[in-house]
Amino acid sequence: GNSVTQMEGPVTLSEEAFLTINCTYTATGYPSLFWYVQYPGEGLQLLLKATKADDKGSNKGFEATYRKETTSFHLEKGSVQVSDSAVYFCALRRSNTGFQKLVFGTGTRLLVSP
Amino acid sequence: GAVVSQHPSWVICKSGTSVKIECRSLDFQATTMFWYRQFPKQSLMLMATSNEGSKATYEQGVEKDKFLINHASLTLSTLTVTSAHPEDSSFYICSAMTPNGDIAYEQYFGPGTRLTVT
Repeated sequence: GNSVTQMEGPVTLSEEAFLTINCTYTATGYPSLFWYVQYPGEGLQLLLKATKADDKGSNKGFEATYRKETTSFHLEKGSVQVSDSAVYFCALRRSNTGFQKLVFGTGTRLLVSP
Repeated sequence: GAVVSQHPSWVICKSGTSVKIECRSLDFQATTMFWYRQFPKQSLMLMATSNEGSKATYEQGVEKDKFLINHASLTLSTLTVTSAHPEDSSFYICSAMTPNGDIAYEQYFGPGTRLTVT
């Protein structure tokens, strides 16, 4: 079946440090891949996405590249800020068209200190 | 664009009572809405999928009679937790999707509703 595996948190960093949150997936075919962010007490916001192999999604300084050969979609940011503290969810969807469920990873909490 | 709201944002109810949570798509017509449940420090668990004008499809293990879902219009879905008990306390999140336009088939999430049953 389809599944997403994320590194366990919390990830604790100082401001301006480099961030990597690992995400690997198992899926048949060519899924679309997503990163969502959840700030405390709020719902999920789409951070970035990629729909095919070698695509790079980017937003707000965050990037992730769809690597089919390693079935990975690691999230990176060159210089984190305190305001980036949140829970980050990696997710996949089997297709770009039609109704398909999102499959979420367990989430990784990021804590950034000043 | 693609804003989804939920109401209330938090609610406290007594054990045995029912509580209704609303999910609205504010600037698009949502043919499909999803309801998720999130336990503290855990991922989202899909509870059910509702399509406008038809019965909801529940995920395995979710009690249909306890979690009543109604999707009566293209902009509103409701989740009613009937005869709530403390174990129903959780963070409930909805999302909405349209098959049309640039945002087709993307899920847009509401801000969530925190339910506490005492």
